[in-house]
Amino acid sequence: SQKIEQNSEALNIQEGKTATLTCNYTNYSPAYLQWYRQDPGRGPVFLLLIRENEKEKRKERLKVTFDTTLKQSLFHITASQPADSATYLCALDPSGGSYIPTFGRGTSLIVHP
Amino acid sequence: DADVTQTPRNRITKTGKRIMLECSQTKGHDRMYWYRQDPGLGLRLIYYSFDVKDINKGEISDGYSVSRQAQAKFSLSLESAIPNQTALYFCATSPGQSSGNTIYFGEGSWLTVV
Repeated sequence: SQKIEQNSEALNIQEGKTATLTCNYTNYSPAYLQWYRQDPGRGPVFLLLIRENEKEKRKERLKVTFDTTLKQSLFHITASQPADSATYLCALDPSGGSYIPTFGRGTSLIVHP
Repeated sequence: DADVTQTPRNRITKTGKRIMLECSQTKGHDRMYWYRQDPGLGLRLIYYSFDVKDINKGEISDGYSVSRQAQAKFSLSLESAIPNQTALYFCATSPGQSSGNTIYFGEGSWLTVV
């Protein structure tokens, strides 16, 4: 069966450090992978999309990598700030042509001042 | 103003009552979705619609129905609410595959069934 795995344990880091979150998947051949941010009680907000033929994508302090051989995406936030504290969800399109992203359960990031 | 607006934002209802959650969007997207989110279970797709005449069941459609009244409006109904439908519900839209099908979410509707 298709699975998306994100670390269920919260990631705690100190302000100024780089946060790295992982998204692993099995039994998918995604054309793209997305990352979203979700604050408590709010709707997820789209951050970045990376396509299968792209190895890396950057946006300001964010960087996403996509390794289709390892079936893994890494999401990096450099120079992290307490305001970056949130839950981060990865999403990718399933097989079968519906092109509706399926979401992982998310990893909580807590940046300590 | 929000691009995807959900009403009500909070509702407490009794078991067996009918409840409707409404969603409207100003993004001009054809695709609309309803998700529910429960702690530890992530986002699960209830129903989706690719255009006004297209309605499809998602992962967890039992106990729910939807209506796509217009391109901009997509409502979710619980015909006879039960306590395990207590959750945070999100309406969402997307422009389609050409842009990677990025999903734009509303602010959510907290529903408590007692």
